[in-house]
Amino acid sequence: EAEVAQSPRYKITEKSQAVAFWCDPISGHATLYWYRQILGQGPELLVQFQDESVVDDSQLPKDRFSAERLKGVDSTLKIQPAELGDSAMYLCASSPRDRSRETQYFGPGTRLLVL
Amino acid sequence: GEDVEQSLFLSVREGDSSVINCTYTDSSSTYLYWYKQEPGAGLQLLTYIFSNMDMKQDQRLTVLLNKKDKHLSLRIADTQTGDSAIYFCAETDTDKLIFGTGTRLQVFP
Repeated sequence: EAEVAQSPRYKITEKSQAVAFWCDPISGHATLYWYRQILGQGPELLVQFQDESVVDDSQLPKDRFSAERLKGVDSTLKIQPAELGDSAMYLCASSPRDRSRETQYFGPGTRLLVL
Repeated sequence: GEDVEQSLFLSVREGDSSVINCTYTDSSSTYLYWYKQEPGAGLQLLTYIFSNMDMKQDQRLTVLLNKKDKHLSLRIADTQTGDSAIYFCAETDTDKLIFGTGTRLQVFP
C-alpha cells in the first residue's frame, strides 16, 4: 500500500540552527500539505501545495520558515533559525487532485526537539 | 473563526462501546472526519461524513452528525485494546482541515 514518506523521523537541534524536513507524497498525488502538531494539540496547517504552487501559506511564519516543492513531487520544509517554540511534530499529508476534501493521507511525521 | 472542541480523555473497558464527541462552530463545513493517532505516529483517516448525511456506519464504527447542533460523534463497538489512541475530529469547507485537540481513548481489560 502506498504511503507518504517523511525523513528524518526525529531531529534534535539547538536553537538558532537550521533544520530541514523532507516529504515524499503518494505517487500521483497533486496536493501536498505540511502541518505542525504541538504536543497535546491537533495539527495546524502550515502550507498547502497544488503541484509546485503554494495554495495556502497563511499560517507559515515566513520570517523563519520556508517550504518548496520545486518539481511538484517531493517537498522540503526548512526552519532557520530554529527557536525553542518550534519543538513539535511536523506532519506531511497528500491527496489526489480533485479529491482533497475526501482524503488526506498522512506520513509518520518528523518529531523536532529544539534545545 | 472555526473551532473544533473535544473532551480530552475517555476510558472504557474492553468489549464495551466507546463514544467520542466533538462540537464545531463552522456551519459551512462540508466534510467532517475522524482520525486516529497512535503514539509517535502520523494520523490515520478512520472515516468521514458529508454534511448532508446524518449517519455513516463502517464495520465497528458509527458516525452520527447533528448538523443543527453542530455535533459529531464516533461510536466504536466492541472496543479493543488496539483501539487505544488519540482520536481527532476535523472539519473543512475547503481543503484546509481544522482539527480538534483530540480525545485520548484508553481501553482497559
